[in-house]
Amino acid sequence: DTGVSQDPRHKITKRGQNVTFRCDPISEHNRLYWYRQTLGQGPEFLTYFQNEAQLEKSRLLSDRFSAERPKGSFSTLEIQRTEQGDSAMYLCASSLARTGGYGYTFGSGTRLTVV
Amino acid sequence: DAKTTQPNSMESNEEEPVHLPCNHSTISGTDYIHWYRQLPSQGPEYVIHGLTSNVNNRMASLAIAEDRKSSTLILHRATLRDAAVYYCILDQAGTALIFGKGTTLSVSS
Repeated sequence: DTGVSQDPRHKITKRGQNVTFRCDPISEHNRLYWYRQTLGQGPEFLTYFQNEAQLEKSRLLSDRFSAERPKGSFSTLEIQRTEQGDSAMYLCASSLARTGGYGYTFGSGTRLTVV
Repeated sequence: DAKTTQPNSMESNEEEPVHLPCNHSTISGTDYIHWYRQLPSQGPEYVIHGLTSNVNNRMASLAIAEDRKSSTLILHRATLRDAAVYYCILDQAGTALIFGKGTTLSVSS
């Protein structure tokens, strides 16, 4: 297993366009998380899935953001009508469901620049 | 909200031990203490976690206070590659990990 993969690594888009990111977790991990990180800040939680069920969404998550994990494997994060404030690193992580406090494995992230 | 308190920054010299403190006074009995680190331009990396007892792995040691209201991440011999932001996080059942700003560790040769 090569760890958590995210695609693309970088994305530049014009304001108002839609973008979609993909995350492939570690195959045996049933939990998948999305975070956003801006410069100088820690990762900010967006949402997480257990298998295909979306269990939690941050109240800070705009309606323009939607995430799916249709078959409990890979996940996509879509941002509609992008704004300059959406520019950030988008991180995906996966883990086993919490029994004994398993650690998360993070991907390298997708850096989004909205111009 | 992050439920831990860490110093903003710390400095160390290469090959010396580093003790990174974390306060978590509101910890509950079932919360695990996790530590992650993040190198520039990379995603966070799991370092270690524990519940009550001190823990050791190949990367670091975690010392947990008897009342569990604080913990310390110990890097036994700092290297230049240990320069990173270190996050102390409470893993609470049913929720995702909530990151704070962490401690930026600088290592000098």
